[in-house]
Amino acid sequence: AQSVTQPDIHITVSEGASLELRCNYSYGATPYLFWYVQSPGQGLQLLLKYFSGDTLVQGIKGFEAEFKRSQSSFNLRKPSVHWSDAAEYFCAVGPYGAAGNKLTFGGGTRVLVKP
Amino acid sequence: GAGVSQSPSNKVTEKGKDVELRCDPISGHTALYWYRQSLGQGLEFLIYFQGNSAPDKSGLPSDRFSAERTGGSVSTLTIQRTQQEDSAVYLCASSLEGGNTEAFFGQGTRLTVV
Repeated sequence: AQSVTQPDIHITVSEGASLELRCNYSYGATPYLFWYVQSPGQGLQLLLKYFSGDTLVQGIKGFEAEFKRSQSSFNLRKPSVHWSDAAEYFCAVGPYGAAGNKLTFGGGTRVLVKP
Repeated sequence: GAGVSQSPSNKVTEKGKDVELRCDPISGHTALYWYRQSLGQGLEFLIYFQGNSAPDKSGLPSDRFSAERTGGSVSTLTIQRTQQEDSAVYLCASSLEGGNTEAFFGQGTRLTVV
């Protein structure tokens, strides 16, 4: 069965500093990988996705993620964090090419941005 | 509509009562999903609709939970005889089709069972 692990429950970062959120997955086939962000009281917004091609993918809001098959990882990065990036971030994996985009989510990482 | 709409946004109900949660997907989206977000359990898949049929309902936690979708559009998630452990945020998502297309999420319904 597929699983997603986000080892960091909370991360505190200063505004303007870089951010990296870790994600490790276990999946028996070619994975379809996502990062979502959830602001307080809001639904999930897709930041970026990967299923093939260049292993470094660019997303919205200045985020990028790198797929490393050998490490089963899909870490999210941002070079310079803004106060508005304070939110909860979820990594997810889904079946590539299969009907029904049923996603398995990690437990989430809550990001706090210090002024 | 412009986005996935869920109603109500908040629902407080007494233990043992039935509740209905509504999801109005983005117009033209054939795939619809229900997820549950609760403390300690994270985000869990409940059910997936393609059109009006549900090829995957493997995530429904018990037979108290059911869902339907009519006209390939609006979906209703029904929880019968609610229990306190049903308290959670119920999220709905839709996508243009199943498979590798982006799922757009609604803002969720926060259900509190007292």
